[in-house]
This record gives sequence, structure tokens and C-alpha cells, in this order.
Amino acid sequence: QKEVEQNSGPLSVPEGAIASLNCTYSDRGSQSFFWYRQYSGKSPELIMSIYSNGDKEDGRFTAQLNKASQYVSLLIRDSQPSDSATYLCAVRNGGFKTIFGAGTRLFVKA
Amino acid sequence: DAGVIQSPRHEVTEMGQEVTLRCKPISGHNSLFWYRQTMMRGLELLIYFNNNVPIDDSGMPEDRFSAKMPNASFSTLKIQPSEPRDSAVYFCASSLSSGVSDTQYFGPGTRLTVL
Repeated sequence: QKEVEQNSGPLSVPEGAIASLNCTYSDRGSQSFFWYRQYSGKSPELIMSIYSNGDKEDGRFTAQLNKASQYVSLLIRDSQPSDSATYLCAVRNGGFKTIFGAGTRLFVKA
Repeated sequence: DAGVIQSPRHEVTEMGQEVTLRCKPISGHNSLFWYRQTMMRGLELLIYFNNNVPIDDSGMPEDRFSAKMPNASFSTLKIQPSEPRDSAVYFCASSLSSGVSDTQYFGPGTRLTVL
């Protein structure tokens, strides 16, 4: 079992729709959870971080964490073509090591 | 403010040659990470430094890889001798470690091609 699992996609949604990206992790001791966006040929950039169970909203983005189910998700409301990218889920344990998922490719169709 | 700086941005070399990648972290950050990204394996952590000290190099693939951080503003990743399977994008990231909430900021990456 991979430590951080994501559906590779591609996930295709129409412009204006909600995109839902999911991630599961194996280490129950994980404490920090991140979503990075990576455009083709570019470096990952942080868009959301979440540390406690529940929802965290930032503009059009909502991160959801359920530690009991070892599940973290990212919702993108009113999806735009500029949101088309690969989204990386990253999980950090109580130490320093951050494990990245393989990423989900998102396409937003205009 | 300048972000993480990496050089070179692109490197093409022949098998057997030595390759040195360079990284300047964000000023004030005390943690530095080297990652490798390939289509097959995704983003892999190679080594992590905290306050210039290597903390975990378990991700370094083999003895051909070495990394140093002589001071807080500079780090190198060296591959000697290089092999075609080392071809990848190498990212350097830095963070200000402050418990669980430290955010890693990535540099633009070095695209390495070993022929």
C-alpha cells in the first residue's frame, strides 16, 4: 500500500462546476496535510494546508480532513480553465518527512 | 522577496559525468529539502537538512548521490557518476520549521538529462 494515494485521473469537469479531489494516507500518526498545485513544467505551489478534522475554506478552495478515515479532500468551486493542473496531496507525520501522492490531473473544460 | 533559487535550470550531460545541482533557500528558512520528480515515481524526497545538518538521507538512491549544505544559504546535490536513469527534475524546497505547520516552498527545479 502506498503511503499517500490519489486517483491519477484525469478528472475532467466543465467550467463553473465543483471539482472534487481525494487522497488517502496510511500513517495514522500524520498531523499535517497539504494540497499543492503543479502546472505542467512548473514547480509545486501550496494552495491549502489543514491540520485538524473538518473543513477549511480559502476562497474557492475547501480542504476537508477526516483523520478517523485517513482521508483528505480538496474541493474547488466554480472551476476555471486556469485551475487545470496536477494536484498533489502531501502528508507529514509528527517529524519532518512529507510524503507526496502521485497527483491527480484536473482538466477544466471551457 | 526572492524565492528558492536553483541552478542550472537545465542540464544535459553524458553518462559517467559528474553533475552538481545548486540551491539557495529562502533567507531565514532553516530547513532544506531535495526532491526528485519523474513520471514513474512521482515526487520523492532525497534528503532533508535542518540548520545545515543532514537529518535523513534515506531517500538518496545510492552512493553516487551526495548532498552538502555548507551554510544556511547554499546547498548542493552531486551525482557522480551520472547514469541515464538519473534523468529527472530535481527540486529544492525550503521551509521555516515551526512544528507541524511549516510550509515548503519549492524552487523552479533543474531538469537533468543524462544521455
